[in-house]
Amino acid sequence: DAKTTQPNSMESNEEEPVHLPCNHSTISGTDYIHWYRQLPSQGPEYVIHGLTSNVNNRMASLAIAEDRKSSTLILHRATLRDAAVYYCILRPPGGSARQLTFGSGTQLTVLP
Amino acid sequence: GAGVSQSPSNKVTEKGKDVELRCDPISGHTALYWYRQSLGQGLEFLIYFQGNSAPDKSGLPSDRFSAERTGGSVSTLTIQRTQQEDSAVYLCASSHSGHDEQFFGPGTRLTVL
Repeated sequence: DAKTTQPNSMESNEEEPVHLPCNHSTISGTDYIHWYRQLPSQGPEYVIHGLTSNVNNRMASLAIAEDRKSSTLILHRATLRDAAVYYCILRPPGGSARQLTFGSGTQLTVLP
Repeated sequence: GAGVSQSPSNKVTEKGKDVELRCDPISGHTALYWYRQSLGQGLEFLIYFQGNSAPDKSGLPSDRFSAERTGGSVSTLTIQRTQQEDSAVYLCASSHSGHDEQFFGPGTRLTVL
């Protein structure tokens, strides 16, 4: 299975942009790149996903490298409520497996 | 609208006892997943239900673990003869189909003494 590599932790100042990197050098051509985040004492929540093109939604933006071997989750203006563990996950489009394989993620600390 | 709910929120049990954890998915979601998360770790997939298909049980760690999904809605995860290493947060998620984003419940924190 293709794996992802993320920094263990990152810090950001409140109201500044945050760029969370993810390396997935063994990604297959059909794997989708998903991001979830987990706030303290809560279940994970979906953030964004993409395949090849950059994606934007109300929560964040996803920038995908042209070779798809890395991606970056962008929070345009970090708030204290964005402090969470951010997981970058690869999901195949088909097959019997529909589960999410989580790595250790990146612990984002937002400083006031 | 109502999200995924799980009960109980916390469960403390003695080693060797059986426990049942309940998950109520979002109405209309055909896919349901169980995960567990040990302290400071990522999520570990346990089992996946999709409609009326046979569940994907490939993540269950031992035959002490089983799960049912009745009527395509509520699911129960049962752990028999609990062990201390079963202590974890058990998370349930549902999605509209197997391809869509998953919505997670708040989890059940299981502590086996």
